[in-house]
Amino acid sequence: GIQVEQSPPDLILQEGANSTLRCNFSDSVNNLQWFHQNPWGQLINLFYIPSGTKQNGRLSATTVATERYSLLYISSSQTTDSGVYFCAVVAQGGSEKLVFGKGTKLTVNP
Amino acid sequence: DSGVTQTPKHLITATGQRVTLRCSPRSGDLSVYWYQQSLDQGLQFLIHYYNGEERAKGNILERFSAQQFPDLHSELNLSSLELGDSALYFCASSPTLSVGYTFGSGTRLTVV
Repeated sequence: GIQVEQSPPDLILQEGANSTLRCNFSDSVNNLQWFHQNPWGQLINLFYIPSGTKQNGRLSATTVATERYSLLYISSSQTTDSGVYFCAVVAQGGSEKLVFGKGTKLTVNP
Repeated sequence: DSGVTQTPKHLITATGQRVTLRCSPRSGDLSVYWYQQSLDQGLQFLIHYYNGEERAKGNILERFSAQQFPDLHSELNLSSLELGDSALYFCASSPTLSVGYTFGSGTRLTVV
């Protein structure tokens, strides 16, 4: 099945810093989503982005489908950005399930 | 509020027992997915229903079963519970197939 690799696995930032999270996937996809899991366990949908670029406030994401990667940018990070960021994909021609990467654990210190 | 409702939020039960987790999808969404998140396994796909019919199964144990009812809500039944079944169980819904999954807030199951 499709493989999803996220990097880095852990990231520690000072408040106000910028960061880039990467997601590589091994096959063509119909769907790619970025999620933020907050410290209470909730999975918050950040972007639905199978291709192209989207922005939402301090967050933006770019997916280059032909090269099988996606990037999530966080600017001017805040302590509330802490948590785990997951990339998840649906493979083309496969079942419709989302396959998750192992996540990037982000800690933003005040 | 994501629009996907899961109940209960927390559940503590003893080994050998049976529990039922409930999920109401977003209004209009036909697909319901169940996922298990444990510390050592990450987010694992369990099962997918579309408009009442089972579409795909993942690594779902035989002790687990699910169904989707005519009003599109879904239930996940876990029986003969073991300590290792302790996990966060998420439900997600999407309007059709492969597009825009929205997750509920999860049910945290603790088996003691």
